[in-house]
Amino acid sequence: ETGVTQSPTHLIKTRGQQVTLRCSSQSGHNTVSWYQQALGQGPQFIFQYYREEENGRGNFPPRFSGLQFPNYSSELNVNALELDDSALYLCASSFEGSGANVLTFGAGSRLTVL
Amino acid sequence: DAKTTQPPSMDCAEGRAANLPCNHSTISGNEYVYWYRQIHSQGPQYIIHGLKNNETNEMASLIITEDRKSSTLILPHATLRDTAVYYCIVIRYGGSQGNLIFGKGTKLSVKP
Repeated sequence: ETGVTQSPTHLIKTRGQQVTLRCSSQSGHNTVSWYQQALGQGPQFIFQYYREEENGRGNFPPRFSGLQFPNYSSELNVNALELDDSALYLCASSFEGSGANVLTFGAGSRLTVL
Repeated sequence: DAKTTQPPSMDCAEGRAANLPCNHSTISGNEYVYWYRQIHSQGPQYIIHGLKNNETNEMASLIITEDRKSSTLILPHATLRDTAVYYCIVIRYGGSQGNLIFGKGTKLSVKP
């Protein structure tokens, strides 16, 4: 079974630009969550998608948005990038209905905003 | 979800048991204790979870006190590859399972 894959692994953007990060879920999983991890901090929940709809969101502004596709893959979009958006962005998948909070994480996309 | 407190760092000698503590004094009756770890440059990895009984799997053992206000993750024979940040998370079983609240965790350094 394949795990969670994310792309790109690294990217550099400038302030004000927009970025799209991609995630392929683990086979058999139907829920995707996104996290932001600043240097030296634990991951922070951005939002979760289930059945192609957002069904949970952390304390992030609307310029952070996402999509989930019928094959359960997902995108994270960030508009109007700010310097503080520089971080590791982690995608995690799980199976809604299992009841267990066992997430499988990808290796992340490291975003640098200059 | 209950808040957790962990020591910021710990050292362990290779081959010895690593015992990582976690306090969760405000845990509710329907909340489980989960442990994840994050090896450098990787995403977090699930280790184990439990409600009130001790649990063991191929990676680790989880010991939860009778009053459930604290727990200990035990790596019985730590190796250099166990060097990582370990996160203790308390969450309601079946709750919004994508929303895990990570603190800063414990940075475990396994030394030869």
